[in-house]
Amino acid sequence: LAKTTQPISMDSYEGQEVNITCSHNNIATNDYITWYQQFPSQGPRFIIQGYKTKVTNEVASLFIPADRKSSTLSLPRVSLSDTAVYYCLVGDYNQGGKLIFGQGTELSVKP
Amino acid sequence: GAVVSQHPSWVICKSGTSVKIECRSLDFQATTMFWYRQFPKQSLMLMATSNEGSKATYEQGVEKDKFLINHASLTLSTLTVTSAHPEDSSFYICSARAGSYNEQFFGPGTRLTVL
Repeated sequence: LAKTTQPISMDSYEGQEVNITCSHNNIATNDYITWYQQFPSQGPRFIIQGYKTKVTNEVASLFIPADRKSSTLSLPRVSLSDTAVYYCLVGDYNQGGKLIFGQGTELSVKP
Repeated sequence: GAVVSQHPSWVICKSGTSVKIECRSLDFQATTMFWYRQFPKQSLMLMATSNEGSKATYEQGVEKDKFLINHASLTLSTLTVTSAHPEDSSFYICSARAGSYNEQFFGPGTRLTVL
């Protein structure tokens, strides 16, 4: 399972766009990239998943370069309620679906 | 979206007793369920993977005789912490995966406090 590296913490202000980059140099051909959000004392919540290029949904965008050794989660116009820990995970879901969580990025959104 | 529930949401028990935590997939059949534990200010640590009808696969360092996992049906997995001690106090989270779907759905977590 590929190891991921993310910044430990980030600060932002309401209304700004936040980009969190994750490094996964050893990503395998069959690995997908998934981002989860976790609030204190809650289970993680799925945000977005991708394999290559760009994926967008109603809450975020995921940018994956051609070499797939990194990915960037983009949160447009964050609000105070986006303050949470964000986890980047890579895994081959066809091989049992194990997710190994890294340290995550603690995002703090200020007014 | 798919919903996973856990029961209880919190539990307090005395040292030496056993505690059972249930994880249910409410609107889908979960072929695989996972159990994690999370200490304060730390990331989630995978404890074990369970497939319906078969024995759970434990991660290295997790005592299988202490953390008993049963995945008796496609919608229910249970984690029993046997002879709990204060160091077992933690936040236990389950997740469920449906068949070939790439997404895992997480439960809300169970806060265990052992006195």
